[in-house]
Amino acid sequence: KNEVEQSPQNLTAQEGEFITINCSYSVGISALHWLQQHPGGGIVSLFMLSSGKKKHGRLIATINIQEKHSSLHITASHPRDSAVYICAVKGFPGNTGNQFYFGTGTSLTVIP
Amino acid sequence: EPEVTQTPSHQVTQMGQEVILRCVPISNHLYFYWYRQILGQKVEFLVSFYNNEISEKSEIFDDQFSVERPDGSNFTLKIRSTKLEDSAMYFCASSESRVTEAFFGQGTRLTVV
Repeated sequence: KNEVEQSPQNLTAQEGEFITINCSYSVGISALHWLQQHPGGGIVSLFMLSSGKKKHGRLIATINIQEKHSSLHITASHPRDSAVYICAVKGFPGNTGNQFYFGTGTSLTVIP
Repeated sequence: EPEVTQTPSHQVTQMGQEVILRCVPISNHLYFYWYRQILGQKVEFLVSFYNNEISEKSEIFDDQFSVERPDGSNFTLKIRSTKLEDSAMYFCASSESRVTEAFFGQGTRLTVV
């Protein structure tokens, strides 16, 4: 089983601030997912990455495989970014298998 | 943009009843998953499905649960003899392959009374 830890649990930011959310995991993985969950409950996929860095608009995700750590950055944050951000990891066949292990999420509130 | 759709969005059922949650995965995807999220808790894996059979299941997925792909498009989760503790949001997801991005449906909120 892969233990996935996210920090911080809760984050409040002023509009325009640069935000970083961290994710650490305990066992080697084949991929890591960053997901966004809105108050209504629906889950939206933001990134899936297995190495390096990905950028989409104001969102940037990085992963360090050796350190078992990933970060999600939001530049120029906006109130519409307010949501829960979830990290989920998938292992290798025969390791943690074909399932995602989820972190508890980081609840982000961006204040205008 | 293709999306995973789930029906119903909300279901209320009496304890002991059977429920079927429905999902239509993205059409060219081959891997299907069910997850659940009890209110206030993290998302938990239930089961993955590939090539018309279960490829992996968690300890939560006991004999009370079953999955089926009754036709080429639907993927269902059946919960028999529901209990109060089955109340949760149930998410379906699909991916093209084991190593590609998974796309999630909007969820079905199941309330057992």
